[in-house]
Amino acid sequence: EDQVTQSPEALRLQEGESSSLNCSYTVSGLRGLFWYRQDPGKGPEFLFTLYSAGEEKEKERLKATLTKKESFLHITAPKPEDSATYLCAVQATGYALNFGKGTSLLVTP
Amino acid sequence: NAGVTQTPKFQVLKTGQSMTLQCAQDMNHNSMYWYRQDPGMGLRLIYYSASEGTTDKGEVPNGYNVSRLNKREFSLRLESAAPSQTSVYFCASRIPGGSSYEQYFGPGTRLTVT
Repeated sequence: EDQVTQSPEALRLQEGESSSLNCSYTVSGLRGLFWYRQDPGKGPEFLFTLYSAGEEKEKERLKATLTKKESFLHITAPKPEDSATYLCAVQATGYALNFGKGTSLLVTP
Repeated sequence: NAGVTQTPKFQVLKTGQSMTLQCAQDMNHNSMYWYRQDPGMGLRLIYYSASEGTTDKGEVPNGYNVSRLNKREFSLRLESAAPSQTSVYFCASRIPGGSSYEQYFGPGTRLTVT
């Protein structure tokens, strides 16, 4: 059975304090790993897709990396506006995305 | 482009009442999805439609029905609402073909069943 586990559940950072969020997965035949950002009361907002081990993608202060067992979302010098829940999802066979429970990030000034 | 839109934004139902959640996308996407999000559970797939005219069950389909009205619209119906269906419902759509499978989400419908 496909599984996606995100850690930590919650993370509190000071502004400028870099850190990483983890997404570990077990899936047969990974077709893609996805990162989303979700603000309170809003729908998930697409950030990145990673397809194969060794791949990296960047957007502003965020960088996503992928290995054969896990993905990391690195946040460099975060700002308070980066506060949100970050969701990881994988797609194996079929059309469905299998989501983790998310990491709630709070960045304080 | 408005992207994925959902109506209503909020709804309160009594046990046993029925309602339909509406979803529309203007991105010419073929595939559309309905998820529910509950605290501590993550997003779970209810139903999806790979293309116009087809629908399939996801992980948690019991108590729901769907209709793919046309390429743009995908509705979710609760025939007899139960308190266990209290949740936030998200509709999503996916670009046709290609190698990218990312889904784009609507703003959600917050449903409370009393």
